[in-house]
Amino acid sequence: GEQVEQRPPHLSVREGDSAVIICTYTDPNSYYFFWYKQEPGAGLQLLMKVFSSTEINEGQGFTVLLNKKDKQLSLNLTAAHPGDSAVYFCAVRVTQVVGQLTFGRGTRLQVYA
Amino acid sequence: DPKIIQKPKYLVAVTGSEKILICEQYLGHNAMYWYRQSAKKPLEFMFSYSYQKLMDNQTASSRFQPQSSKKNHLDLQITALKPDDSATYFCASSQETDSNERLFFGHGTKLSVL
Repeated sequence: GEQVEQRPPHLSVREGDSAVIICTYTDPNSYYFFWYKQEPGAGLQLLMKVFSSTEINEGQGFTVLLNKKDKQLSLNLTAAHPGDSAVYFCAVRVTQVVGQLTFGRGTRLQVYA
Repeated sequence: DPKIIQKPKYLVAVTGSEKILICEQYLGHNAMYWYRQSAKKPLEFMFSYSYQKLMDNQTASSRFQPQSSKKNHLDLQITALKPDDSATYFCASSQETDSNERLFFGHGTKLSVL
């Protein structure tokens, strides 16, 4: 079945610097791709859903790039601030079942002032 | 206020016993899910329910039985508990009409089996 590798597991950056998290997946038939954020003591929250290949998707303070050729999904937090400190998860939907996602192991991001 | 309530937050059980994990959502969603996260594995999909009917069961053994007594409830009964069942169990919900397929997660129930 689908496997999702996420790196790095831990990331520490200075405020104002960028932070990049990368996921690689194995199933070329994967449909949709997601980034979730989990703040301390809270449940996971959706950051973005993407499905178009090699398209940069911009959110508030971050960009997401999906490269289906290389089976890679990346999250780039531009100008990180302490409020971005959280655990970030990528996820992939391979099946037709909405909500049935294969998650990466997560990246714990620490942004220090 | 949390919109997805999981109870209890922490649970300790002995091997061979049976426990029920509670999940209630107040988002008006029609789909609910269970995921599991153990120390050795990433977050894993277990079950998907839509309108109180099982949509998919991905690898979970028969010892794990979801129970949906109401539209906004999806409890998880676990029988004959084993130490390997130790994990944090997350309940989630979504609205099928949401094009973003946004899953809303509860805070989890951390289960420790001794």
